[in-house]
Amino acid sequence: QQPVQSPQAVILREGEDAVINCSSSKALYSVHWYRQKHGEAPVFLMILLKGGEQKGHEKISASFNEKKQQSSLYLTASQLSYSGTYFCGTVISSGSARQLTFGSGTQLTVLP
Amino acid sequence: GAGVSQSPSNKVTEKGKDVELRCDPISGHTALYWYRQSLGQGLEFLIYFQGNSAPDKSGLPSDRFSAERTGGSVSTLTIQRTQQEDSAVYLCASSSLRQGRTEAFFGQGTRLTVV
Repeated sequence: QQPVQSPQAVILREGEDAVINCSSSKALYSVHWYRQKHGEAPVFLMILLKGGEQKGHEKISASFNEKKQQSSLYLTASQLSYSGTYFCGTVISSGSARQLTFGSGTQLTVLP
Repeated sequence: GAGVSQSPSNKVTEKGKDVELRCDPISGHTALYWYRQSLGQGLEFLIYFQGNSAPDKSGLPSDRFSAERTGGSVSTLTIQRTQQEDSAVYLCASSSLRQGRTEAFFGQGTRLTVV
C-alpha cells in the first residue's frame, strides 16, 4: 500500500524548478505532502482531496489526479530553505479506516 | 497539549532488554500513528489507532512489537527483547483525520539505540 515516489533525489541550483511525483496502486481519498529537514520531525505542507484539486504553499504547489492515482509536487524558483526530504502520504479509499501511509521520500538539495 | 509529545527523546538499551516508548497526542485527535525511520530512510508505517482500536497492525515488524492506546489518548509502543536492527527513530503522529482532510502532526521522535 506504500505510495511510490520519484525521483529519489534531486539536486538543484537556487531559483530552479523541480517536480516530485507520488503514485499509488490503490484508489486514493487524499494525498498529503510533508517536508522533513535533517534531524527534525516531518512538517505538514498541504493536503489534496480527490477531485483533481491543486493547492499552493509559498512557491510550492501540488496537483492530484484521482483517475491516475497520482500527485505531483511542484517547487518553483527554489530557495535554499526548500532543502530537505519530501514525503507524500496517501489515504486510500477503503472502508472507514483512514490510514496514512508514506512514500520513501525524495531528497531535495538546493545549492547556492 | 500544544503538540505531540514523545518520551523519552533518546533511549539507549542493551540487546535483549524490553523498551517502552510513549506518545501523548494532541488533545482531541482520534487518529494516532506510529512510524519508524532508520538513518537516512523513509517513514515505515508500524500501526494506526482510531480511538483505542488498531484497524491495521500489519506494519509491526515482528511479534516482539506491540502497541496499545488507552482512553483515546496516550499510546505506548513496546519492543520486547530488543535487537540491534530495532535501532531507529520512532515517530508518533496524531490527527483528527476526518474524511482525510486534516494534517497529521508529528512528535519529535524517540531515538532508540540498541547496543
